[in-house]
Amino acid sequence: QQQVKQSPQSLIVQKGGISIINCAYENTAFDYFPWYQQFPGKGPALLIAIRPDVSEKKEGRFTISFNKSAKQFSLHIMDSQPGDSATYFCAASYHGGSQGNLIFGKGTKLSVKP
Amino acid sequence: DAGVTQSPTHLIKTRGQQVTLRCSPKSGHDTVSWYQQALGQGPQFIFQYYEEEERQRGNFPDRFSGHQFPNYSSELNVNALLLGDSALYLCASSGGGQEPAWTGNKQYFGPGTRLTVT
Repeated sequence: QQQVKQSPQSLIVQKGGISIINCAYENTAFDYFPWYQQFPGKGPALLIAIRPDVSEKKEGRFTISFNKSAKQFSLHIMDSQPGDSATYFCAASYHGGSQGNLIFGKGTKLSVKP
Repeated sequence: DAGVTQSPTHLIKTRGQQVTLRCSPKSGHDTVSWYQQALGQGPQFIFQYYEEEERQRGNFPDRFSGHQFPNYSSELNVNALLLGDSALYLCASSGGGQEPAWTGNKQYFGPGTRLTVT
């Protein structure tokens, strides 16, 4: 049972374009939604995160949009650059009074063409 | 400030053998989580250690065990290796009261150990 579904599996965007990656979750107890970026041979690096009482969070060129009623959230990368080419993972977890484990989507491989 | 470090970088083992992977958390962190990442997949949670005890566990068999030391470093042990255990094993650290409460799950990942079972 996959609790976080991510799409698309792969994405090709021209330099300067907007990259959009979507995720949907099932467990309404989730209260923390991070996005991770992973380059080949490296561990995932935290990009940006949001909590469910906020509809949007922006950090530089990266924006998370969150729709609690639809149980969906998305990552927007503005002015995409070739250096953004990586695999992106959405994740979710719930505090439950302690630090919970992260449940990841299957990832989106982004290629930004120059 | 060193981030999360893991050793070794790569490892090749034979079916049935046992393996130990090591992780040192980011300075100030007291919680260590281990994840398995198969090729082309997202990381899957194995277990989490806090105060030298296993606090949470994912859907992994008892062949996977761990330990946390007083200095917060951690080991992951896998017994009776199977071909399907071949993966990138990631360690993530968190906690220590350095982040706002709601981001208690702000986990920082190490570079991983690539395990190949032949």
